[in-house]
Amino acid sequence: GAGVSQSPRYKVAKRGQDVALRCDPISGHVSLFWYQQALGQGPEFLTYFQNEAQLDKSGLPSDRFFAERPEGSVSTLKIQRTQQEDSAVYLCASSSPGPSGNEQFFGPGTRLTVL
Amino acid sequence: QKEVEQNSGPLSVPEGAIASLNCTYSDRGSQSFFWYRQYSGKSPELIMFIYSNGDKEDGRFTAQLNKASQYVSLLIRDSQPSDSATYLCAVNMNDMRFGAGTRLTVKP
Repeated sequence: GAGVSQSPRYKVAKRGQDVALRCDPISGHVSLFWYQQALGQGPEFLTYFQNEAQLDKSGLPSDRFFAERPEGSVSTLKIQRTQQEDSAVYLCASSSPGPSGNEQFFGPGTRLTVL
Repeated sequence: QKEVEQNSGPLSVPEGAIASLNCTYSDRGSQSFFWYRQYSGKSPELIMFIYSNGDKEDGRFTAQLNKASQYVSLLIRDSQPSDSATYLCAVNMNDMRFGAGTRLTVKP
């Protein structure tokens, strides 16, 4: 596709529910990143993949958060037993080495609201 | 100390003025630096990147980097109301770390 796509764009969950957020990166992009952006804050790094390998998951806030990219393309961020503090916009970005180094292209985000 | 720090603003400038946005970072080994613009409710989009000390100009935008001072800035000349947005500074420290952003308002 032309850009990074994410689905769903909006998700409302009841506290305790599990959710799954999907990211389709730009075709051919090796690197994929997940960020969490709270209102009025910058994106906070969650995790990073290079192809199918999860190279850094240091930003995942708890073991309720899990991400995968089994075939090195589409990625899923799963949040188990959602809590109200999980409410945020979840951004996915992809990048590939080039003249601008590690320019990341962002998807539109998934806005998660936990009630 | 946060890894990437920015003044949250809001920064308000009149149309046609120069807007100056500043950012400091903690990791002295960082090599690449980015400025993203984020309109309300939208995702960040890249404006400029800079690797070397000094100035880099692109149209109305100039990025300035001083690695010794661990400081990077963005100047917007001839500011337009359409420049009103949040500007995010990002630093590549193995992975990308973002500042909280500075909200800029350009008043007609």
